[in-house]
Amino acid sequence: QKEVEQNSGPLSVPEGAIASLNCTYSDRVSQSFFWYRQYSGKSPELIMSIYSNGDKEDGRFTAQLNKASQYVSLLIRDSQPSDSATYLCAVKMGFSGGYNKLIFGAGTRLAVHP
Amino acid sequence: DAEITQSPRHKITETGRQVTLACHQTWNHNNMFWYRQDLGHGLRLIHYSYGVQDTNKGEVSDGYSVSRSNTEDLPLTLESAASSQTSVYFCASSPKSGWETQYFGPGTRLLVL
Repeated sequence: QKEVEQNSGPLSVPEGAIASLNCTYSDRVSQSFFWYRQYSGKSPELIMSIYSNGDKEDGRFTAQLNKASQYVSLLIRDSQPSDSATYLCAVKMGFSGGYNKLIFGAGTRLAVHP
Repeated sequence: DAEITQSPRHKITETGRQVTLACHQTWNHNNMFWYRQDLGHGLRLIHYSYGVQDTNKGEVSDGYSVSRSNTEDLPLTLESAASSQTSVYFCASSPKSGWETQYFGPGTRLLVL
């Protein structure tokens, strides 16, 4: 089982709709969760972080976390064609030796069509 | 402006050759990371460093090495390039506190023939 799983997509939504991106993770003790956006041919950029159960809103983006279900999601309201990108879910996990690492999912490709 | 750069941006090499990819950041970040990105696998951690003279292996470190002699640079060396190392390589850095907030370089596309 992969440590961080995402549906690869593509997820196709019409302009103005809500895009819902989902991510599940395997480590029950994980405490920190992140969403990165990656445009085609570009590097990932951090768009959201969430640490507590519930919702966190930032503009058109809302991150949702449910630690009991080991589930984190990203909602994009009023989707725009410029939101078309691959969205990477990342989870901070602890490993032996006291080091923490950021484990990335394979990403979900979002396509917003006019 | 502070930034993180990678060079070269594109590289074609032959199997068996040694290749070094450069990563340079001007944020004075303690933490630096190397990832590779392949279709279907997402970003996988190769090596990372939490400071000068500190280096650690990630999940896919075989065939790669790094050294950290100063804060700004973390070069990645492929000791003997293999076709399986054809990939896009990203360097990232983050501050000592809040290391999870990683800033990525533009990437290097490496093709091993």
